Amino acid sequence: AQSVTQPDIHITVSEGASLELRCNYSYGATPYLFWYVQSPGQGLQLLLKYFSGDTLVQGIKGFEAEFKRSQSSFNLRKPSVHWSDAAEYFCAVGAGTNAGKSTFGDGTTLTVKP
Amino acid sequence: NAGVMQNPRHLVRRRGQEARLRCSPMKGHSHVYWYRQLPEEGLKFMVYLQKENIIDESGMPKERFSAEFPKEGPSILRIQQVVRGDSAAYFCASSARGDQETQYFGPGTRLLVL
Repeated sequence: AQSVTQPDIHITVSEGASLELRCNYSYGATPYLFWYVQSPGQGLQLLLKYFSGDTLVQGIKGFEAEFKRSQSSFNLRKPSVHWSDAAEYFCAVGAGTNAGKSTFGDGTTLTVKP
Repeated sequence: NAGVMQNPRHLVRRRGQEARLRCSPMKGHSHVYWYRQLPEEGLKFMVYLQKENIIDESGMPKERFSAEFPKEGPSILRIQQVVRGDSAAYFCASSARGDQETQYFGPGTRLLVL
């Protein structure tokens, strides 16, 4: 069975500082990996996804993530955080067999200090 | 191009009543997924449907919950005889044939059971 762990429940960074959100997954085959962002009271917006190929993927809003198979990780990064990035971030792994079902981590809440 | 639409956005029910949640997928999408998000938790998969077919309902509670995606009209998640523990945000996502892994989420329905 697939699973996702986001070790950090809550992270606080200063505006302009760099950000890294951690994600570890467990899946028997090549995973389909996703990062989503959720603002309070809103739905989830897809930031980026990894299916295959280049292990460094670029997403929207200046985010990127790197797939590291040896570490079973897919960490999200941003070089300079903006106050509007404050939100909850979810990592997810897909079944990878066109089954479509995704398993989500419990999320990391990002607070941005002025 | 409208995204995934869900209604109502907020729903209040008393214990024992029925709740009906609606989801209209993105135009051209034929796959629909329902997820539940309890407070302070990530999203948990409930059911995956295609038109007139339930593909995977492994996350659905065995009783009181049902889902359909008819040939015409929105997908419906139905909860009969609601209990307080059903209070949660329910999200619908849709994806296109051939890219089922990439899911686009609606804004969610927040159900409160009094």
